[in-house]
Amino acid sequence: GDSVTQMEGPVTLSEEAFLTINCTYTATGYPSLFWYVQYPGEGLQLLLKATKADDKGSNKGFEATYRKETTSFHLEKGSVQVSDSAVYFCALIRPPGGGSEKLVFGKGTKLTVNP
Amino acid sequence: DAGVTQSPTHLIKTRGQQVTLRCSPKSGHDTVSWYQQALGQGPQFIFQYYEEEERQRGNFPDRFSGHQFPNYSSELNVNALLLGDSALYLCASSPGGGSDTQYFGPGTRLTVL
Repeated sequence: GDSVTQMEGPVTLSEEAFLTINCTYTATGYPSLFWYVQYPGEGLQLLLKATKADDKGSNKGFEATYRKETTSFHLEKGSVQVSDSAVYFCALIRPPGGGSEKLVFGKGTKLTVNP
Repeated sequence: DAGVTQSPTHLIKTRGQQVTLRCSPKSGHDTVSWYQQALGQGPQFIFQYYEEEERQRGNFPDRFSGHQFPNYSSELNVNALLLGDSALYLCASSPGGGSDTQYFGPGTRLTVL
C-alpha cells in the first residue's frame, strides 16, 4: 500500500540555520504530495503542496520539489526562525478518482529552533 | 470565512463509555474526513463522508461510526471506549469535484481513563 517515510527527529537548529527534512514515498501512480505543520496543541496546517513531477511547492520561505525519479519531496528552508518550531508531516494522496481519497502521513519530524 | 471547526476541544471519558465528536467543514466544502492522531504519531485515516454517505474507510473497528448531515457537518461516534482510543481526533474538509487538498480543524483531544 501507499506509504510515506520521513527522517527521524527530533531536529534541533539554531536560528538562521538551513533546514532539510527528508521525505520519500511509495505509491501507485502519481500522487499529490503535501507538507503539513502542527504547532503545539493545534491541528494541522497546510504548508505547501505539489501535484506533479518537478513541481515546486513554496510558502513562508519553505520549499519542496516533487522528484518522481527518487520518489522524494524533501522540505527545505534557507534560514529558520524560532517561530518555525513545530512538527512537520509529509503526506500523499492519490489523484481524485484514483480509488483512494485519504491522506497518508509520515510519522512527523519535530523541529526545535533555538535563538 | 470560518475554517474547519470542531467541538468539543477536550473530552475525558471512562472505558466502556460512548463519545460523539462534531465537525463543521470550511464554507463551500462538502466532503469531510476524520483522522486519529495518537501521541507522537502521524494522523491515521478513519473514514470519509460525501453526500451523507461513507465513501471510504480505514482500518478501524465498527466501534467507530460516523454521520454527515445535509449541511455537510459531520459527527464521529466511538462506542465502548478503550484506553487506546485516547488521541487527538482531527476533522478535515475538502471541496467536491476532484480537489486533492484537505483542510484540518484544530482537533478534539479525547482522553479515556
